[in-house]
Amino acid sequence: GAGVSQSPRYKVAKRGQDVALRCDPISGHVSLFWYQQALGQGPEFLTYFQNEAQLDKSGLPSDRFFAERPEGSVSTLKIQRTQQEDSAVYLCASSLAVLNTDTQYFGPGTRLTVL
Amino acid sequence: DQQVKQNSPSLSVQEGRISILNCDYTNSMFDYFLWYKKYPAEGPTFLISISSIKDKNEDGRFTVFLNKSAKHLSLHIVPSQPGDSAVYFCAASDGQGAQKLVFGQGTRLTINP
Repeated sequence: GAGVSQSPRYKVAKRGQDVALRCDPISGHVSLFWYQQALGQGPEFLTYFQNEAQLDKSGLPSDRFFAERPEGSVSTLKIQRTQQEDSAVYLCASSLAVLNTDTQYFGPGTRLTVL
Repeated sequence: DQQVKQNSPSLSVQEGRISILNCDYTNSMFDYFLWYKKYPAEGPTFLISISSIKDKNEDGRFTVFLNKSAKHLSLHIVPSQPGDSAVYFCAASDGQGAQKLVFGQGTRLTINP
């Protein structure tokens, strides 16, 4: 079956531009996560949705970062007024239910480069 | 603070031998641990997991060991194959309503023919 998909795969933005990154989770998956992976580091948690409810946004680095999942399926991560330090791979993951033992399946990521 | 640490950035192993990847954690609330494998330009792929109530979990060539008193886990791959060459991430979660994963920095494993 189809896995988690993300678009675009690559995005180049000029400093100060707004960007929107899309995630299509596995159909029927209740939980959706966004992670940020800097070069040479492991993924770091940004935010978590259970259906359409954003239950944890403790990892969002600033108020320039905003995420939504209005219908409980597709999610968008928006970054306003991008800065060079926002350059990273943004990973989306989904899991079937709400237990921490439910496997998170990751998409291929969007590589964001801010010039 | 880095709650999950993988102190070896890279590891090189000969094909057919055992690969051992290590991971240490500091948060005693972690109760579920996972290993993910990542190829270039792809997302991490789940490999194997272990609950804190166990000390070993095996799946084919892959075995994960958990030492709670030492806050240490390891992944053993036997025998190692060229297709195992990838970056391996250790991850943990605390299960107290928090599904989020905390990852280590990763170890790049290279299997030499």
